[in-house]
Amino acid sequence: NAGVTQTPKFQVLKTGQSMTLQCAQDMNHEYMSWYRQDPGMGLRLIHYSVGAGITDQGEVPNGYNVSRSTTEDFPLRLLSAAPSQTSVYFCASSLRTSAGANVLTFGAGSRLTVL
Amino acid sequence: GENVEQHPSTLSVQEGDSAVIKCTYSDSASNYFPWYKQELGKRPQLIIDIRSNVGEKKDQRIAVTLNKTAKHFSLHITETQPEDSAVYFCAARASSGSARQLTFGSGTQLTVLP
Repeated sequence: NAGVTQTPKFQVLKTGQSMTLQCAQDMNHEYMSWYRQDPGMGLRLIHYSVGAGITDQGEVPNGYNVSRSTTEDFPLRLLSAAPSQTSVYFCASSLRTSAGANVLTFGAGSRLTVL
Repeated sequence: GENVEQHPSTLSVQEGDSAVIKCTYSDSASNYFPWYKQELGKRPQLIIDIRSNVGEKKDQRIAVTLNKTAKHFSLHITETQPEDSAVYFCAARASSGSARQLTFGSGTQLTVLP
């Protein structure tokens, strides 16, 4: 099992450019999510999905889009990059229990710099 | 929504001493409280978790305590070792919303001095 795979690991963008961060998991997890990590601010939830075809907004969704066409994949799209989106992005997945998201398995992270 | 505050933001201890990190949460109905450890340049990984029907849980040198009345929970690391140096995040699971997603604290940078 590869677990949660994120690509790319590093990316530099210019303001206004668009890009997609890829996330794939092979554990048949229903729940997938994207977090951003900034110094002193912990991990903040951007978007999440409880299954194929279902997505919802987290704490900081502005400027990002997601889709969940399959159980395995959950890409994060930046439509028009801004310097405020410079961050480390983590994809995470878990089994979904009746009580909600359970133990999260994180990807290795993607460091994005917007100039 | 849920709000989680974590203190201290940085903590330095001598090797062999104990370390304590504290978190408070706002939603009294939150029922799941995990702790994640993130080593430098690595991904966060779960080290211990506790559910609201339990007051304390131990796993070797680490333990977590939960006080539901006061809405706070703490991570205790005994006999600290250099490999314990990392950023630690607490989290709480909200009671509302379809996914019951986790809300994280801002993190504590623990440094164990040799």
